Amino acid sequence: DTGVSQNPRHKITKRGQNVTFRCDPISEHNRLYWYRQTLGQGPEFLTYFQNEAQLEKSRLLSDRFSAERPKGSFSTLEIQRTEQGDSAMYLCASSARQGSNEQFFGPGTRLTVL
Amino acid sequence: KNQVEQSPQSLIILEGKNCTLQCNYTVSPFSNLRWYKQDTGRGPVSLTIMTFSENTKSNGRYTATLDADTKQSSLHITASQLSDSASYICVVSAMNNNAGNMLTFGGGTRLMVKP
Repeated sequence: DTGVSQNPRHKITKRGQNVTFRCDPISEHNRLYWYRQTLGQGPEFLTYFQNEAQLEKSRLLSDRFSAERPKGSFSTLEIQRTEQGDSAMYLCASSARQGSNEQFFGPGTRLTVL
Repeated sequence: KNQVEQSPQSLIILEGKNCTLQCNYTVSPFSNLRWYKQDTGRGPVSLTIMTFSENTKSNGRYTATLDADTKQSSLHITASQLSDSASYICVVSAMNNNAGNMLTFGGGTRLMVKP
């Protein structure tokens, strides 16, 4: 399968714990995006990488959130001191710089904070 | 502020029936509009993409229309199947190659097809 993959698919954690999600984009895609989606809503932009550079961050990305893409390939999204309001689906997408700029989405990681 | 509004929020239809989902947007400068299908617990998958000059585009039983003057799009589903049950998200792209946040997502229409 050469699509975008995300791990884990589901994560249940207690409030105050730290969690880390991983995204592996389509191999030739140099752009990578993180989104958050709550039930019944469309995805909300969190942050964007072009290669290893994090070029844009949403105001939704509080200081408890950090994303990295150290080698310009896979990316991690860490949430520190999780809160119940962090419960959501976290989606990763990737796109190529050229062409239609279509973003291909991964299956998401569903986070539940108890 | 760029916005995408979808209607209805939810819809229940019987298998075999047709339905039409609506999308209104205020995104500038407009680049393209996509309809995504998102199954429960999965990531969105692109159904169609429409640029400024395109009025209609079909993908099997899905037909999307775009009126760039009124900034409206619709997604028509013909002869619905149980597997069409999903959320359908309208996504409008702004023309800015340097920005990551160039997509504006609608809230989606949750479609349920009943036997």
